[in-house]
Amino acid sequence: DIQMTQSPSTLSASVGDRVTITCRASQNINNYLVWYQQKPGKAPKLLISQASSLQSGVPSRFSASGSGTEFTLSISSLQPDDFATYHCQQHKSYPRTFGQGTKVEIK
Amino acid sequence: EVQLVESGGGLVQPGGSLRLSCAVSEFSLRNYWMSWVRQAPGKGLEWVASIRQDGNEKYYVDSVKGRFTISRDNAKNSLYLQMDSLRAEDTAVYFCARDGGGYETHWGQGTLVTVSS
Repeated sequence: DIQMTQSPSTLSASVGDRVTITCRASQNINNYLVWYQQKPGKAPKLLISQASSLQSGVPSRFSASGSGTEFTLSISSLQPDDFATYHCQQHKSYPRTFGQGTKVEIK
Repeated sequence: EVQLVESGGGLVQPGGSLRLSCAVSEFSLRNYWMSWVRQAPGKGLEWVASIRQDGNEKYYVDSVKGRFTISRDNAKNSLYLQMDSLRAEDTAVYFCARDGGGYETHWGQGTLVTVSS
């Protein structure tokens, strides 16, 4: 199985900060990586597909990059609505696997 | 707007069974792969199973193989997850999701399954 490792597990930041989350795969997954945002008690929301393609309606302050085994999700200027947990997921092969999540909390 | 609504969760004793349902609307189920994903309390997401449009190709995470069965009824626009031999570690919110390009694009609100005596 492909293991996905996110860092950090928790990130404390202030409104307006730039934040970056890293996701590493245990083997090459090309660009078969997506990012989700999840708020407490809610379903995940797809933000990014194909490692770097922003979904329709997602603010442009979100960006993502990477290929192979290392990927990043960045938020250029953190807004109050962005405090949430972010998950990466590989879909190169079954079983699809998620990172453990990164909680972005208010500093 | 695409909608997915799960039902069937609840409290069940270890070793028991439960059948989850997911009713979809505003799209035709027969056109999409579908999946179940779960989230244990306070934990991350775990993909559970996926099923092809015609129901003839299915994949499962190892921890549920032989115990869970994913199925679908395209005529009823419904997805199912039959869960047998339930264990405490199966306690989670279970989400059904529509696939697009090999990943989950649209999610239901989830249904809670609690396995406890």
